[in-house]
Amino acid sequence: EPEVTQTPSHQVTQMGQEVILRCVPISNHLYFYWYRQILGQKVEFLVSFYNNEISEKSEIFDDQFSVERPDGSNFTLKIRSTKLEDSAMYFCASASLQNYSPLHFGNGTRLTVT
Amino acid sequence: SQQGEEDPQALSIQEGENATMNCSYKTSINNLQWYRQNSGRGLVHLILIRSNEREKHSGRLRVTLDTSKKSSSLLITASRAADTASYFCATGGKDSNYQLIWGAGTKLIIKP
Repeated sequence: EPEVTQTPSHQVTQMGQEVILRCVPISNHLYFYWYRQILGQKVEFLVSFYNNEISEKSEIFDDQFSVERPDGSNFTLKIRSTKLEDSAMYFCASASLQNYSPLHFGNGTRLTVT
Repeated sequence: SQQGEEDPQALSIQEGENATMNCSYKTSINNLQWYRQNSGRGLVHLILIRSNEREKHSGRLRVTLDTSKKSSSLLITASRAADTASYFCATGGKDSNYQLIWGAGTKLIIKP
């Protein structure tokens, strides 16, 4: 069964550095998402992406964050000038349809900012 | 409480028993979904119920939705040790076609 893959599984970075989290969504999916989950807290929506542009973003997704689909397969989340509070699990997800379509999640990237 | 609140926060039962988890939400929804997460892993979609549906089954899973009470329940029958995981409800809103709003989850432990 096709799956969403995320790399790396764990990223450690120093405060102030930039990180790029990578995702390969399921190949025939059209909608892409980033969510994050701070340890012990709720899953939080960051951004959705369709047709090569951001469809919707949350208040969390400020100028520090950006997404890109540089080619036909990868979907990346860039976090500039990382802060300690950016430490979390970051999940990529994809879906085939907009509504009534389950999200398929990757296993996440654990980002640790020191 | 916030959108998508599950209860109980934790549930521990014996293998073979049924497990029931509840979810409440605040705003109008388009659909409600249940996901499962094993420790340190990604979220796995279990079942989606549309706002005009009242009940849905998938294998040992049964989901109900009461839009008048803004609540849903997930029933796992004949639980197995492998069902041990955290279970989350997530709502897709009428105002937002893209983002899901998540509850804090129910941590389910099945004792062998």
